[in-house]
Amino acid sequence: QVQLQESGPGLVKPSQTLSLTCTVSGDSISSGSYYWYWIRQPAGKGLEWIGRFYTSENTNYNPSLKSRVTISLDTSKNQFSLKVSSVTAADTAVYYCARDALRVGAAMVYWGQGTLVTVSS
Amino acid sequence: QSALTQPASVSGSPGQSITISCTGTNSDVGGYNYVSWYQQHPGKAPKLIIYEVSNRPSGVSNRFSGSKSGNTASLTISGLQAEDEADYYCCSYTSSSTLVFGTGTKVTVL
Repeated sequence: QVQLQESGPGLVKPSQTLSLTCTVSGDSISSGSYYWYWIRQPAGKGLEWIGRFYTSENTNYNPSLKSRVTISLDTSKNQFSLKVSSVTAADTAVYYCARDALRVGAAMVYWGQGTLVTVSS
Repeated sequence: QSALTQPASVSGSPGQSITISCTGTNSDVGGYNYVSWYQQHPGKAPKLIIYEVSNRPSGVSNRFSGSKSGNTASLTISGLQAEDEADYYCCSYTSSSTLVFGTGTKVTVL
């Protein structure tokens, strides 16, 4: 069974870069068959899709965040990561990583438990 | 991209059926059969309950069903149970190769 776990600093200063890692267990991230996703949710608000990685040539981002977001894979550590630059208080949210599954189109099947990131000085 | 439109809240009594709508455009919901639905209980991660408009993942109750007509997708919960009280989000693939979530619907079991 695939399991995902987010990790990273819980507090980031405004204008800095938010960096999160999602550690994958139960499967190899280098299998090349899946999309790897990041989603976020501000407290008391709805889900916001951040982006997904399939290959370095096939990565998609939310247009509203595209200029500040990078998703990448580290196959040596079986992890994938999210970087959001120039953060503001509006980037404060619970961040989730997720993965799809074979024969399940454009849907996030496996989710991490989420990690809260607060942007504050 | 604009969030898909869902009603803020829907309620029903135990045993009843309720339907949640999810309205988009022909660039997302109406253009592709890639609509998914997620259930989220407070403090928990979302859980996929419907994918590709009407397919249920293994282990999801058959009380949950999905459909689509034009630019509007729908999730129906039949035989409503107390455990169904949660937030529900639709999600669609878009013409920009991205995904977009709905605004979310709080389901209350009376």
